[in-house]
Amino acid sequence: ETGVTQTPRHLVMGMTNKKSLKCEQHLGHNAMYWYKQSAKKPLELMFVYNFKEQTENNSVPSRFSPECPNSSHLFLHLHTLQPEDSALYLCASSQDLPSGGYGEQYFGPGTRLTVT
Amino acid sequence: GDSVTQMEGPVTLSEEAFLTINCTYTATGYPSLFWYVQYPGEGLQLLLKATKADDKGSNKGFEATYRKETTSFHLEKGSVQVSDSAVYFCALTHAAGNKLTFGGGTRVLVKP
Repeated sequence: ETGVTQTPRHLVMGMTNKKSLKCEQHLGHNAMYWYKQSAKKPLELMFVYNFKEQTENNSVPSRFSPECPNSSHLFLHLHTLQPEDSALYLCASSQDLPSGGYGEQYFGPGTRLTVT
Repeated sequence: GDSVTQMEGPVTLSEEAFLTINCTYTATGYPSLFWYVQYPGEGLQLLLKATKADDKGSNKGFEATYRKETTSFHLEKGSVQVSDSAVYFCALTHAAGNKLTFGGGTRVLVKP
């Protein structure tokens, strides 16, 4: 595998279900991100992890719970979601630069989530 | 805060037509600028980037020049193909951080 992979690619779940999205990066990066892409809305950054530590949580509801066990893997645990949570969930990774800051982000193909 | 504004689509073109997608930004200092492309059913791919004023990013026939004076980073391609049909996102980030700010995306449809 190369780049950033995400599983599953499609997920349909009821509002009472619990499911998890998985992201894996094969690029040796040390920062990982979750984004939400809804129809007719800009990409929304949800969470950022640097060196496995969560550095940003953009006021995301607690029904979304991220987990980063190591710098290559990132999970998004889902429970009691709402229909408006239906969206494409994108994972990305990047590497810090010698000059400071982080390089461009590399995205996975996304998980298309439908909440019924 | 930072923001990116790009023209709303959809933009519909015929094959071999000239494409321009406008992008302007509001940010402090000197951000790095990016264009990402999202093909149907896929995630975002980095198309090109520029990290300082007057830099020109280019890839796959696409070009964009970092214009500090007009805070713009317009994307251009001289002759589009059907395979260029996608959604294009303009974005910026600061060297000191790792947060990308995206524009709303512009859908481009190229017809044969």
